[in-house]
Amino acid sequence: GQSLEQPSEVTAVEGAIVQINCTYQTSGFYGLSWYQQHDGGAPTFLSYNALDGLEETGRFSSFLSRSDSYGYLLLQELQMKDSASYFCAVRGGNQGGKLIFGQGTELSVKP
Amino acid sequence: GAGVSQSPSNKVTEKGKDVELRCDPISGHTALYWYRQSLGQGLEFLIYFQGNSAPDKSGLPSDRFSAERTGGSVSTLTIQRTQQEDSAVYLCASSARGGGEYGKNIQYFGAGTRLSVL
Repeated sequence: GQSLEQPSEVTAVEGAIVQINCTYQTSGFYGLSWYQQHDGGAPTFLSYNALDGLEETGRFSSFLSRSDSYGYLLLQELQMKDSASYFCAVRGGNQGGKLIFGQGTELSVKP
Repeated sequence: GAGVSQSPSNKVTEKGKDVELRCDPISGHTALYWYRQSLGQGLEFLIYFQGNSAPDKSGLPSDRFSAERTGGSVSTLTIQRTQQEDSAVYLCASSARGGGEYGKNIQYFGAGTRLSVL
């Protein structure tokens, strides 16, 4: 089967840097994605890693190590609006694109 | 449309009743997914459509759950004889086939239907 583990919650202050870790177990690997979900809102795509290394998109970066079955999302220059839940997800097979999600990390940004 | 649209946004029903949830994907997106999210939990895959066919129904929790898609566009998720454990937010997502976005498997989600079974 497939499973992902991530911390349930993280707290940080405005302007700081926070890292949200994700470890996964899959029978095959087809990429690690990150989604953001504000309370009551739709999940929105943040980042995707298929190969080892760092992907940077503005204040957000995502890292992948396939040998360690590990990735992280790095958020820099935290803003209050970054308070949300963050989900890592793996593709559930090479046919179709269903995603298997972690339980989510609730990030609280304090002033 | 501009985004994925789901209706109704909220649905309260009595145990044993049937409900239908609707999803309008982004125009031109051939792939459509249904997920379920219980309070404070991650998203649980239910079913995947490519066009009008559903090659992966592995996430449907019981035969009370069914879904269809017509015209390669609108999809309906039907739950028969609802139970209290069916209470959750039902999310629909769509994605484009081909190109960089498909390679990244970017899925665009609607805001969901919050189902409450009393």
